[in-house]
Amino acid sequence: EVHLVQSGPEVKKPGESLKISCKGSGYTFSTYWIAWVRQMPGKGLEWMGTIYPGDSDTRYSPSFRGQVTISADRSTATAYLEWSGVKASDTAMYFCVRRRSSGYSAFDNWGQGTPVSVSS
Amino acid sequence: QSVVTQPPSASGIPGQRVTISCSGSSSNIEGNTVNWYQQFPGTAPKLLIFDTDARPSGVPDRFSGSKSGPSASLAISGLQSEDEADYYCATWDDTLKSVVFGGGTKLTVL
Repeated sequence: EVHLVQSGPEVKKPGESLKISCKGSGYTFSTYWIAWVRQMPGKGLEWMGTIYPGDSDTRYSPSFRGQVTISADRSTATAYLEWSGVKASDTAMYFCVRRRSSGYSAFDNWGQGTPVSVSS
Repeated sequence: QSVVTQPPSASGIPGQRVTISCSGSSSNIEGNTVNWYQQFPGTAPKLLIFDTDARPSGVPDRFSGSKSGPSASLAISGLQSEDEADYYCATWDDTLKSVVFGGGTKLTVL
């Protein structure tokens, strides 16, 4: 069975760095794209970007390019989402998702979500 | 403001058939497949329909998807109280080179 297990809740101050993780199991991690999806409090879903762990090919949404860094480590089957300096507006739930082989936007497995709270 | 638009809310009574629309353009829905997600409060979304009209294993056949030109629809027949949730459409946008989600529709079962 496929599982995506994300790291725990984060509480940060503005300007602090942050890296959250997503560990895949139950499938060949390197052969499926992993994406990150943001959901701000009470709001909808936003695609941030995606990575193919097999070769680290990474794509970003125009809205998030330059704001975050997506990476992956094939050896540990883990994907990461990183900020060099968080802002209050980064407060949200972040989901990692596995993309089906077909279709750019078909995400068949979701992590449980990592809540991030940024406040001074 | 998303480039694909959903009504913010929809409602129906048990047993009824309801549809949720997802309106886009030639750069997204018209040329790409559409996927639908169901999300209950406090939980991660779940893939409900993929490749416009296919259901993952385990999703009841009460749920169906379709597309016509730049618009797509999710239909739920035989509405049940447990269908009360938020529903999102998603597709690829060729101009933005990005996955785009609709703003979401909150379905209420009266």
